[in-house]
Amino acid sequence: DAMVIQNPRYQVTQFGKPVTLSCSQTLNHNVMYWYQQKSSQAPKLLFHYYDKDFNNEADTPDNFQSRRPNTSFCFLDIRSPGLGDAAMYLCATGGSDTTDTQYFGPGTRLTVL
Amino acid sequence: GQQVMQIPQYQHVQEGEDFTTYCNSSTTLSNIQWYKQRPGGHPVFLIQLVKSGEVKKQKRLTFQFGEAKKNSSLHITATQTTDVGTYFCAGLPANDYKLSFGAGTTVTVRA
Repeated sequence: DAMVIQNPRYQVTQFGKPVTLSCSQTLNHNVMYWYQQKSSQAPKLLFHYYDKDFNNEADTPDNFQSRRPNTSFCFLDIRSPGLGDAAMYLCATGGSDTTDTQYFGPGTRLTVL
Repeated sequence: GQQVMQIPQYQHVQEGEDFTTYCNSSTTLSNIQWYKQRPGGHPVFLIQLVKSGEVKKQKRLTFQFGEAKKNSSLHITATQTTDVGTYFCAGLPANDYKLSFGAGTTVTVRA
């Protein structure tokens, strides 16, 4: 059974048109992460939620926002996508213990036209 | 900030040969995790190493964690075409839960 689900798997948007990506988990994990991964690069952490506490990475552009209405769901909002935002967006979950692993969803591939 | 360096970036291997990818952290890690990402796929958790000097095996894969908990390696023996993909190490600093990913080693296999 899928543990981390991302929708949609593929998203095409126009330059400047807001887009929302969603992530849900069945693991009841405290922590949910959003990563951006560009071709041939490692995942880059954008931000994460520890329960309801939002933690932004210092170099994450203001264009990226997130919401976590409950434990199971987390959303990534891109307010005005630019061509440089085309990437794979990965959601991951993990527990709060330092020995917990992170479980990744299948990702949403975003194309910006 | 904490950084994890991973080498080599690319590894071209003849089928049946062995290879190793290495990770080094600038700071001591609580644990290190390894992921495999197939082309077009997402990172899939392989293993976690927690103890100093720990060695774990998964069939043809051998994972090591250094004594100082700052470096790790993944050794694959008798490489097969199913081993194709990018292998990432990801270090977890002490008292933190945010992983620091290495750049990955992308493996291609010549039949």
